[in-house]
Amino acid sequence: EAGVTQSPTHLIKTRGQQATLRCSPISGHTSVYWYQQALGLGLQFLLWYDEGEERNRGNFPPRFSGRQFPNYSSELNVNALELEDSALYLCASSYSGTSFREQFFGPGTRLTVL
Amino acid sequence: QKEVEQNSGPLSVPEGAIASLNCTYSDRGSQSFFWYRQYSGKSPELIMFIYSNGDKEDGRFTAQLNKASQYVSLLIRDSQPSDSATYLCAVNRAGGSYIPTFGRGTSLIVHP
Repeated sequence: EAGVTQSPTHLIKTRGQQATLRCSPISGHTSVYWYQQALGLGLQFLLWYDEGEERNRGNFPPRFSGRQFPNYSSELNVNALELEDSALYLCASSYSGTSFREQFFGPGTRLTVL
Repeated sequence: QKEVEQNSGPLSVPEGAIASLNCTYSDRGSQSFFWYRQYSGKSPELIMFIYSNGDKEDGRFTAQLNKASQYVSLLIRDSQPSDSATYLCAVNRAGGSYIPTFGRGTSLIVHP
């Protein structure tokens, strides 16, 4: 069974630009979660999509946005990039409708903002 | 505010010893508990999950849950240098729109 995939692996942008990160969940999973992990910090929850809709959002500014497509893949967009947006962005997927939601992570996208 | 606390470490143990990693949580409504292993520069990998009080064993790993004390631990028996990583504890409520809360992780170093 294929795991969660993310692209690109690395992304280098300059301040003020926009970044688009992509995620494909495990087959059968309909929930996708996005996390930011800055150097030395824990996982910070960004967004949760389930069945095509945004279900919850972490404490991040509106320039962090995303969507989930009919095939349950997801996209994270970061507008007006700032230096502090440099981090590892992790996508995780899980089954929907289960009570306990164990999440499986993709390999991440390393975003560097210069 | 839901909090999950872990000692950041590093926890250093000799090869072959038992490593004990601890996690406390503040939300009494928590019902599902997860341990992830994260190697440096890599993504978290699910090791174990536990829902009921008591112990759950899987190979060299044992998760222990005590809901009354709001405490979950991970024991790694016969520790190997390849176990050296950061271990993340995650806690969640059942159902609804709840998002797991992750601890900051404990760094484990297993030295030969």
